[in-house]
Amino acid sequence: GAVVSQHPSRVICKSGTSVKIECRSLDFQATTMFWYRQFPKQSLMLMATSNEGSKATYEQGVEKDKFLINHASLTLSTLTVTSAHPEDSSFYICSAPDRRGNSPLHFGNGTRLTVT
Amino acid sequence: GDSVTQMEGPVTLSEEAFLTINCTYTATGYPSLFWYVQYPGEGLQLLLKATKADDKGSNKGFEATYRKETTSFHLEKGSVQVSDSAVYFCALFMNRDDKIIFGKGTRLHILP
Repeated sequence: GAVVSQHPSRVICKSGTSVKIECRSLDFQATTMFWYRQFPKQSLMLMATSNEGSKATYEQGVEKDKFLINHASLTLSTLTVTSAHPEDSSFYICSAPDRRGNSPLHFGNGTRLTVT
Repeated sequence: GDSVTQMEGPVTLSEEAFLTINCTYTATGYPSLFWYVQYPGEGLQLLLKATKADDKGSNKGFEATYRKETTSFHLEKGSVQVSDSAVYFCALFMNRDDKIIFGKGTRLHILP
């Protein structure tokens, strides 16, 4: 079964509002989580690394004030898209490293954000 | 820096055809190599992996062999099915920072 749960799976919001996406590790602790963005027919772009108890590390070109990341516990990281605009519409995926199994990273099922 | 290059899609095949999706990598050190699959509207699932040179990963009829001499990890399947239609990502992973580097993905369409 899923070991990383991501909510919501789909969200539609109006331009100017904020949207929060949650990523939970279900049966393991994750001091680090990764947030990716995927544009249609393109690869995953790493946006930021979420670190439990400290500030997130953002990749070059990603606006920190636009994409707020909070990693308040060892099992939960949140991504908030603030003052969303249509160009923020995308597929957002979180992942968490886990050394126990075959995959170094477990992925959430993604969130389809549509900003109208 | 580390990078992954995979063949661009879309790739369209008839059911039962032979599939090859090419993947090459550049890395300092000794990465682990992976193929992930993404079905429509979903996240990524691990398809197979290889952690050292000459290892062969296999799953669901798919195979890929870690070739250090050619820095390649090509994905193959002898007889594809309609249900294999998805996007396939080649990736490398370095233990030093827990980050995965993905190729751009190859969209596969299988026609009945």
